[in-house]
Amino acid sequence: DAKTTQPNSMESNEEEPVHLPCNHSTISGTDYIHWYRQLPSQGPEYVIHGLTSNVNNRMASLAIAEDRKSSTLILHRATLRDAAVYYCILRPSNFGNEKLTFGTGTRLTIIP
Amino acid sequence: GAVVSQHPSRVICKSGTSVKIECRSLDFQATTMFWYRQFPKKSLMLMATSNEGSKATYEQGVEKDKFLINHASLTLSTLTVTSAHPEDSSFYICSATGLAGGRSYNEQFFGPGTRLTVL
Repeated sequence: DAKTTQPNSMESNEEEPVHLPCNHSTISGTDYIHWYRQLPSQGPEYVIHGLTSNVNNRMASLAIAEDRKSSTLILHRATLRDAAVYYCILRPSNFGNEKLTFGTGTRLTIIP
Repeated sequence: GAVVSQHPSRVICKSGTSVKIECRSLDFQATTMFWYRQFPKKSLMLMATSNEGSKATYEQGVEKDKFLINHASLTLSTLTVTSAHPEDSSFYICSATGLAGGRSYNEQFFGPGTRLTVL
């Protein structure tokens, strides 16, 4: 499986934008980029996913580099509730029944 | 929509006993369910994948006779930790994916987790 690399931790001030980077230099042409986050003492939740084009939804935006070797999850205005571990995951298909392989993720701390 | 529940949320048991954890999809048909465990400050580790009506597929290193998984219906999967020992103490999380309104989900929906403590 292609591997992703994320910073172990990041901090951001409340109500400011947050850019969470993910490197995936060995990504294959058919790998989808998925982001999940895990709030403290909870199960993970889906954030966003994409293949080549940038994506937006109500939670976040996903910016994918032209060569697809990196991507950035953007939280436009961080709140305290966004404090979580964010996981960037590559999946070889867009089928929901494809397993997810979690790395170590980025622990995001929001400063009030 | 797409809610997954787990029961119980916490369980404490004595060493040598068996514990059953339930995972339910509340508003969709879960054709595939996954079971993970997570040790403190660590990432999630996939234990097994189960498709409704089929035997579970276990990840390498996970003992299928110790972690019994049943996925007998489209809304329920169970994980039974048999003869639990203190090293089995962990946070167990299920996820589910499948169909709702004729649409097949691309994402997985996770339960809130079950914290197991074996004394």
